Amino acid sequence: DTEVTQTPKHLVMGMTNKKSLKCEQHMGHRAMYWYKQKAKKPPELMFVYSYEKLSINESVPSRFSPECPNSSLLNLHLHALQPEDSALYLCASRTLSGSTDTQYFGPGTRLTVL
Amino acid sequence: KNQVEQSPQSLIILEGKNCTLQCNYTVSPFSNLRWYKQDTGRGPVSLTIMTFSENTKSNGRYTATLDADTKQSSLHITASQLSDSASYICVVRNSGSARQLTFGSGTQLTVLP
Repeated sequence: DTEVTQTPKHLVMGMTNKKSLKCEQHMGHRAMYWYKQKAKKPPELMFVYSYEKLSINESVPSRFSPECPNSSLLNLHLHALQPEDSALYLCASRTLSGSTDTQYFGPGTRLTVL
Repeated sequence: KNQVEQSPQSLIILEGKNCTLQCNYTVSPFSNLRWYKQDTGRGPVSLTIMTFSENTKSNGRYTATLDADTKQSSLHITASQLSDSASYICVVRNSGSARQLTFGSGTQLTVLP
């Protein structure tokens, strides 16, 4: 299994809603990432988890709350978002052992905040 | 400041033609350079990875080159197909820092029949 899955594929939410994005991988990767990508722009790193611990938070607003319940799952909890948070949210993972540093990306969740 | 610049921003070619995409970087210290293909609304998929000592690497119809002295890379696509229509992103990794990847803005390639 060389796949990173993300659910849902699309999400529309209001500014007062609470929702969660989910990411799953079964490749044994111990590093997992959340990226935000606006149209026609490169992905921007948001969070990095290493061995299920948050290692990097790129000054992301607190309305985004990541969670890594186990080595296969990564969640992103959303609360009180703004319309400018509408974007494609990408999850990625990579191994922390061996020589390769390839990040495997999921298909993304297209988020629209009304 | 680490930067990755790609050109052209967008490119339209006819099916069957070849094309070359450019990537210039100022990332230091350099670890490796990767080309990703990203279909619209999908996650990026790695095409090639090159380290300091590698000049060229192929993956099917994709051939990447790296000149570590001038800090330039190119991605050549041979005999383009409609399915090559995508954004091609150059990503450079630096060593010695936790924030390791610098993404280019991508080249949007459109292949027309």
